[in-house]
Amino acid sequence: QVTLRESGPALVKPTQTLTLTCTFSGFSLSTSGMCVSWIRQPPGKALEWLARIDWDDDKYYSTSLKTRLTISKDTSKNQVVLTMTNMDPVDTGTYYCARMGADCYSGENWFDPWGQGTLVTVSS
Amino acid sequence: QSALTQPASVSGSPGQSITISCTETSSDVGSYKLVSWYQVHPGKAPKLMIYEGSKRPSGVSNRFSGSNSGNTASLTISGLQAEDEADYYCCSYTRSSTYVFGTGTKVTVL
Repeated sequence: QVTLRESGPALVKPTQTLTLTCTFSGFSLSTSGMCVSWIRQPPGKALEWLARIDWDDDKYYSTSLKTRLTISKDTSKNQVVLTMTNMDPVDTGTYYCARMGADCYSGENWFDPWGQGTLVTVSS
Repeated sequence: QSALTQPASVSGSPGQSITISCTETSSDVGSYKLVSWYQVHPGKAPKLMIYEGSKRPSGVSNRFSGSNSGNTASLTISGLQAEDEADYYCCSYTRSSTYVFGTGTKVTVL
């Protein structure tokens, strides 16, 4: 059974850097074709894809946020880490990690399953 | 600004069928046949309902179906039930090697 769980600070101050960890089980990111994405949802707003990391360490970022995001993996710990710099109140929301549903040899894919999400509030 | 536009809300009575549209508004979106759909209940993890436009994952009710026509993908829920009340999002891969979600649709069961 594949499971993912997000963890990180519930509250960050404006201008700070946010670091979130996705800990997963049921698969390995060292397996060819595997990849994991981060997605967020501000309160009352739509889902927004943030970043993806592949088994071969290829990385992809949201065009609008790529200057602020870094995604990395620790295969030995079954973890994917997302950092977002210069946090702002508009970055408040629930952050999810999700495994891609098919192999990532091509980009066309879907997200399944998802973690429960972690709520991050940006406020001074 | 999302490249996939959905109606803000759709409602129906129990037992009825409803359809949620997802219209491409940007040429950056890739093949429309590979749209995926997600159900989001408040406080719960999003759930994949449809992938590759019309395929249903194991465990998802056959009351949910996906289709596409031209630049519009659709999710149809037949035999509407109270538990179907949730937000629904479509998603597509883009030619920029990113993913874009639709604007989201709130489904209300009357």
